[in-house]
Amino acid sequence: GESVGLHLPTLSVQEGDNSIINCAYSNSASDYFIWYKQESGKGPQFIIDIRSNMDKRQGQRVTVLLNKTVKHLSLQIAATQPGDSAVYFCAENWSTDKLIFGTGTRLQVFP
Amino acid sequence: EAQVTQNPRYLITVTGKKLTVTCSQNMNHEYMSWYRQDPGLGLRQIYYSMNVEVTDKGDVPEGYKVSRKEKRNFPLILESPSPNQTSLYFCASSYSNQPQHFGDGTRLSIL
Repeated sequence: GESVGLHLPTLSVQEGDNSIINCAYSNSASDYFIWYKQESGKGPQFIIDIRSNMDKRQGQRVTVLLNKTVKHLSLQIAATQPGDSAVYFCAENWSTDKLIFGTGTRLQVFP
Repeated sequence: EAQVTQNPRYLITVTGKKLTVTCSQNMNHEYMSWYRQDPGLGLRQIYYSMNVEVTDKGDVPEGYKVSRKEKRNFPLILESPSPNQTSLYFCASSYSNQPQHFGDGTRLSIL
């Protein structure tokens, strides 16, 4: 719901521009990373994932980059649309089926 | 349609009155988990289950119980709810080491 979005860093982009959302993770042993999108009143929805043996993975309009050296993950959204407005979370897999979530970034898309 | 279903979606209740939030998934997933989501803290894992009759504590298990008697169901039980358990709760399920599918959440208010 809306209260989830309070206190979050916010990225504001114009419709049609590209968006880059960043995430720092904490465990150098994490081998699997996931980006989720959460719209108001809904649960997190899977966007894209990447395993630690890769440094880039592309989906439809989205790209995830992984830099293991600095423990950094980014989500790039091409040609951002109003429907992309949401809170975005990264998650790292600390161990088998244990996900640690970041606190999220709110993406606002304006016309 | 593949989904994770939580009930109720909203509940206002009083301190000490036992409540159960149900979670059901129709994807035959082995893994199920409960999270709570609070402003500024992101998603924190309460309990998880790797399979039927196997449950383990997550990061914030105090005040909660779970059971996994059937593969599809993973209820969350608050035996004696307190105001600090007011939160937004999510159930999730997945195959092992795969992205988790989330329900749409249950907003609990404990007065």
